[in-house]
Amino acid sequence: SQQGEEDPQALSIQEGENATMNCSYKTSINNLQWYRQNSGRGLVHLILIRSNEREKHSGRLRVTLDTSKKSSSLLITASRAADTASYFCATDGGYSTLTFGKGTMLLVSP
Amino acid sequence: GAGVSQSPSNKVTEKGKDVELRCDPISGHTALYWYRQSLGQGLEFLIYFQGNSAPDKSGLPSDRFSAERTGGSVSTLTIQRTQQEDSAVYLCASSQYSESEQFFGPGTRLTVL
Repeated sequence: SQQGEEDPQALSIQEGENATMNCSYKTSINNLQWYRQNSGRGLVHLILIRSNEREKHSGRLRVTLDTSKKSSSLLITASRAADTASYFCATDGGYSTLTFGKGTMLLVSP
Repeated sequence: GAGVSQSPSNKVTEKGKDVELRCDPISGHTALYWYRQSLGQGLEFLIYFQGNSAPDKSGLPSDRFSAERTGGSVSTLTIQRTQQEDSAVYLCASSQYSESEQFFGPGTRLTVL
């Protein structure tokens, strides 16, 4: 089964609203990463949070990590139509390779 | 500097033919990864190269799949005797170190007829 699983599978919001996506994983990790994918092609790295960190910010992005619950959340504030994409969390499971979830498809309507 | 590049961007082949997919990682990145993404699915890890170490092939789905990384730079993923279920987007990524962020190429969309 997937190491990282995103929730919800799909999210539809209006521009200006906040979007929250969650990720759960099963095994111990060194770090957790969030990626964005447009149109089913190349992924763009958004943010990496290490297992000893609880929260990290990057622009309009806020990521939290709760290792006791094996979960992470990605918050996009003041969303824009250009944020429309699929968002994936990826965990290293203590190894160097990443395991990706199936993603959350975010639709931001103008 | 240039990002990760992959070629071809699209490949259509007939069932039973062999295909080669190429990845040019970011210069200086020691780690290189291949993933596969089927329609509507997350990424499936295939193979990982780190420096001169033996590659981690644990994600390869069958012995029809193989990959090489020559000179610690360019990598080629080869699929022999392609099957329709091999149709997917094949993504390559590189990272400076094994546990740092991965930079992805645009992918190769493989269609097996």
